[in-house]
Amino acid sequence: DTEVTQTPKHLVMGMTNKKSLKCEQHMGHRAMYWYKQKAKKPPELMFVYSYEKLSINESVPSRFSPECPNSSLLNLHLHALQPEDSALYLCASSRIQGRETQYFGPGTRLLVL
Amino acid sequence: DAKTTQPNSMESNEEEPVHLPCNHSTISGTDYIHWYRQLPSQGPEYVIHGLTSNVNNRMASLAIAEDRKSSTLILHRATLRDAAVYYCILRDVTRGGADGLTFGKGTHLIIQP
Repeated sequence: DTEVTQTPKHLVMGMTNKKSLKCEQHMGHRAMYWYKQKAKKPPELMFVYSYEKLSINESVPSRFSPECPNSSLLNLHLHALQPEDSALYLCASSRIQGRETQYFGPGTRLLVL
Repeated sequence: DAKTTQPNSMESNEEEPVHLPCNHSTISGTDYIHWYRQLPSQGPEYVIHGLTSNVNNRMASLAIAEDRKSSTLILHRATLRDAAVYYCILRDVTRGGADGLTFGKGTHLIIQP
């Protein structure tokens, strides 16, 4: 099974809302990633978790709060977002060693009103 | 990771071979050449990777120039389902550990029926 699942598929939220994006994989991967992709642009790395610990934060605003509760799950908590945060949020996972191939989920398309 | 340059878009006909070029003149000796693609409304997916020798898998072939300053992804018989954005990415695998992918703009491949 090489599937990464993400929920929800679509999300509309107001600027005062709090919501969470969820990502799950059962490949035994110990590295998990969040990427953000604006329309017609390439994905951009936001966060990397290695062995359930945050290892890379690409200077992401604090209104985005990642969490890795266990080795299979990755969450992205959203609070007080801005309309410019509207984008496709992609989750990926990989093995740790040797900068392995990353497996991506289908993404959550977020619209902030 | 070293930078790559790809054409913005390419067009091909269905059932014909497609050659997608990538220039990486500043590649280092330990950089692997990875290709990912992103189909419409999906997350990126791994296609192929190589170091020095040409590589084949069920999806594509990768031809690497002798000086490694360029490479070509070859789709032997393109189908409409191959219409996607193709990304060429260099990864120094000797650095180890989990690290995000740095996507360039990629090549938007259009397949005509």
